[in-house]
Amino acid sequence: DAGITQSPRHKVTETGTPVTLRCHQTENHRYMYWYRQDPGHGLRLIHYSYGVKDTDKGEVSDGYSVSRSKTEDFLLTLESATSSQTSVYFCAISQTDRQLSGYTFGSGTRLTVV
Amino acid sequence: ELKVEQNPLFLSMQEGKNYTIYCNYSTTSDRLYWYRQDPGKSLESLFVLLSNGAVKQEGRLMASLDTKARLSTLHITAAVHDLSATYFCAVAPAPGSARQLTFGSGTQLTVLP
Repeated sequence: DAGITQSPRHKVTETGTPVTLRCHQTENHRYMYWYRQDPGHGLRLIHYSYGVKDTDKGEVSDGYSVSRSKTEDFLLTLESATSSQTSVYFCAISQTDRQLSGYTFGSGTRLTVV
Repeated sequence: ELKVEQNPLFLSMQEGKNYTIYCNYSTTSDRLYWYRQDPGKSLESLFVLLSNGAVKQEGRLMASLDTKARLSTLHITAAVHDLSATYFCAVAPAPGSARQLTFGSGTQLTVLP
């Protein structure tokens, strides 16, 4: 398997609390992405990174922030979790922006906000 | 804004039958990807289609790309139960555009005995 791990795998949190999800890769890939998956919506891009400290917003970035201080780690933070952020979150990596083999995905984090 | 539409969203088919999943997209693109997702699992890459007329086949699955029609198809031949999964297409914008893939909503395939 490609070296990409997400933690935690499952989390239940209360509305209004901050939550940080971690994506760690050992592939030394430049590009990293956070998607959320919800029924009927496929995967929607939250934020992505094209290098250390270089990040940009995706389609559904409101309520989320990211940080990338090292090549291998991409953190997704929900500053104040809401029930609408209950979802499955996937991290993905790619070596270039012309990745001929597409993305490699992590195993996902199932987040429940109660 | 790039939009990707898949249909059908749900598909039940009997073993041994053939069917096609369609993926339409709204703007120029030269790269299209198909992924498979089993329940509770991550996404697994199936095919990468990089040019007009590209055709890729793996077992009972065959994917094709028509960039002029902005359409990709995933054809299932003589379905078997093991093909039950959700299939996603994903499209990359034209060269020079932003780097991220846009995904369709997915097609949940159930193959019945």
